[in-house]
Amino acid sequence: SQQGEEDPQALSIQEGENATMNCSYKTSINNLQWYRQNSGRGLVHLILIRSNEREKHSGRLRVTLDTSKKSSSLLITASRAADTASYFCATDAVWGGGADGLTFGKGTHLIIQP
Amino acid sequence: GAGVSQSPSNKVTEKGKDVELRCDPISGHTALYWYRQSLGQGLEFLIYFQGNSAPDKSGLPSDRFSAERTGGSVSTLTIQRTQQEDSAVYLCASSVTRDQVGYTFGSGTRLTVV
Repeated sequence: SQQGEEDPQALSIQEGENATMNCSYKTSINNLQWYRQNSGRGLVHLILIRSNEREKHSGRLRVTLDTSKKSSSLLITASRAADTASYFCATDAVWGGGADGLTFGKGTHLIIQP
Repeated sequence: GAGVSQSPSNKVTEKGKDVELRCDPISGHTALYWYRQSLGQGLEFLIYFQGNSAPDKSGLPSDRFSAERTGGSVSTLTIQRTQQEDSAVYLCASSVTRDQVGYTFGSGTRLTVV
């Protein structure tokens, strides 16, 4: 089942603007990760935030995590045309017990207008 | 190799035929995962291998699906008597250990059942 739900499903902004995507999940997690997918093929890992962390930065990316609200946000600053892609959040659930993998949402499709 | 390699990259098969999809993970990565992604959807977890341990097969969508991992390295996902609803991109990922530090995904196999 899909645990992560991204919001919005699609986002179109002008190059140079900031893009914010949100993710909500349902169960307790060990960590939450964000991935990017270009052209419907392999995903690229962007950033991981652990359950005891509240904010993390990597280059133009900023991720926040609110475990009380079971939500996360991904901010991409100073967007570029090359940032056009689908972005997925993925959760590593506490109840997984080692027998399963990350649970992915359906993604946010981001379009950067040049 | 430097990344996760999947083959074939594209496969068109007739309904009722069997197909084998191959995944060669990054050397030294003990954890290997198979996911399925239907058009415009998120990733559906199929199966996870940790080293040579027997996998939990409960994520496989039907008994027509099976997977094996030989020598703790290469994995094969087999779909018997393919159906049109099996059409999807099948993605393989590996990570250093089960404790998530981010997956490395292959480029996927796009399976089309006609």
